[in-house]
Amino acid sequence: EVQLVESGGDLVQPGESLRLSCSASGFTFTDYAIHWVRQAPGKGLEYVSSINDNGGRTHYAASVKGRFTISRDDSQNTVYLQMSSLRPDDTSVYFCVKDRRGTYSFESWGQGTPVTVSS
Amino acid sequence: QSALTQPASVSGSPGQPITISCTGTSGDVGAYNFVSWYQQHPGKTPKLIIYEVTNRPSGVSNRFSGSKSGNTASLTISGLQAEDEADYYCNSYTSSNNWVFGGGTKLTVL
Repeated sequence: EVQLVESGGDLVQPGESLRLSCSASGFTFTDYAIHWVRQAPGKGLEYVSSINDNGGRTHYAASVKGRFTISRDDSQNTVYLQMSSLRPDDTSVYFCVKDRRGTYSFESWGQGTPVTVSS
Repeated sequence: QSALTQPASVSGSPGQPITISCTGTSGDVGAYNFVSWYQQHPGKTPKLIIYEVTNRPSGVSNRFSGSKSGNTASLTISGLQAEDEADYYCNSYTSSNNWVFGGGTKLTVL
């Protein structure tokens, strides 16, 4: 069974940094791209970032480019999202999502970790 | 990248069909057959129901179908059921090498 478990969400002040982790199990980790998608309270889904299966390509939404960095540690089956210069509008639940291979779609979702940016 | 445009809400009676539209641009929906749809019940995580415009993952009811014409994709639910009441989001891969979601549509089963 595919499992994606996010951690690292917290309450931080504007301008601070935070690192989210996504621990994966139940599938061959190195065969899949992993994405981050967020959802602000009461709002819709927003694409954040992706890393391909071998870590050689990363993608970012314009709203986070230059502030967020995605990476993966295949020895730990873990994907990270390093977030810096956080702003109040980054406040969201952050979901880790496994790619449906070759289809550019988001197949399996974690439960999410909440990030609140407020002074 | 602007969000794809979806109606904020749609409604229908049990047994009726409904269609949710998703309008993008020639740089996303119109450029690729990488449109997907997600169902999200309140307090739950999203669930993939359509990928590559028309394909259903195993286990998704065949009452759900997808299509695309030009820059607009559509999700049709035939034979509405009470359990279909949820939020629905479309998504597309884009020419900027990332992805974009629609704003979401709240489906109410009357």
